[in-house]
Amino acid sequence: AQSVTQPDARVTVSEGASLQLRCKYSYSGTPYLFWYVQYPRQGLQLLLKYYSGDPVVQGVNGFEAEFIKSNSSFHLRKASVHWSDSAVYFCAVSRGGTNAYKVIFGKGTHLHVLP
Amino acid sequence: DMKVTQMPRYLIKRMGENVLLECGQDMSHETMYWYRQDPGLGLQLIYISYDVDSNSEGDIPKGYRVSRKKREHFSLILDSAKTNQTSVYFCASRLTVYEQYFGPGTRLTVL
Repeated sequence: AQSVTQPDARVTVSEGASLQLRCKYSYSGTPYLFWYVQYPRQGLQLLLKYYSGDPVVQGVNGFEAEFIKSNSSFHLRKASVHWSDSAVYFCAVSRGGTNAYKVIFGKGTHLHVLP
Repeated sequence: DMKVTQMPRYLIKRMGENVLLECGQDMSHETMYWYRQDPGLGLQLIYISYDVDSNSEGDIPKGYRVSRKKREHFSLILDSAKTNQTSVYFCASRLTVYEQYFGPGTRLTVL
């Protein structure tokens, strides 16, 4: 069965520091991978996605993620965080193919950036 | 601009009352979803709709039902709401295997 693990429920970093939010997935086939961000009192917004090709994908606002198949990981990174990056970040996985309707979400990592 | 709307944004009901949550999208996406979000539990899938009148239970369908009579519109219905259905409900739509677009959420309180 598919699953997504975000091992860190909360992460606190200082503004200007680098960031890595961890995500590991369990899926036997070729996954479609996503990172979403949720700001307070809002819905989820897509940060970036990976379907195939270059394993390092760029997203909005300077975020990137790297797909490492051998490690079943899709960690999110940012070189220098801003206080406005404080939010909840969700990793998600879906299988490919024409019947890939279900998306599995991790429980989220709450990022707090200290000004 | 792709958009998913949800109405109402906030709702307070008493236990036993019926609840109707509405979702609309302007992207002609075939697939739509209802999730609920509770602290520490992430997003839990309630129902998936593949298209008009083609719906499937998700992981936690008990106590909920859905209706989709037009591709652009997907409703979540709680018949005789319970206090444990207090939550934030999100609707999303999706074009085939690609990313989902989420609405802003409905915060439901059942007293």
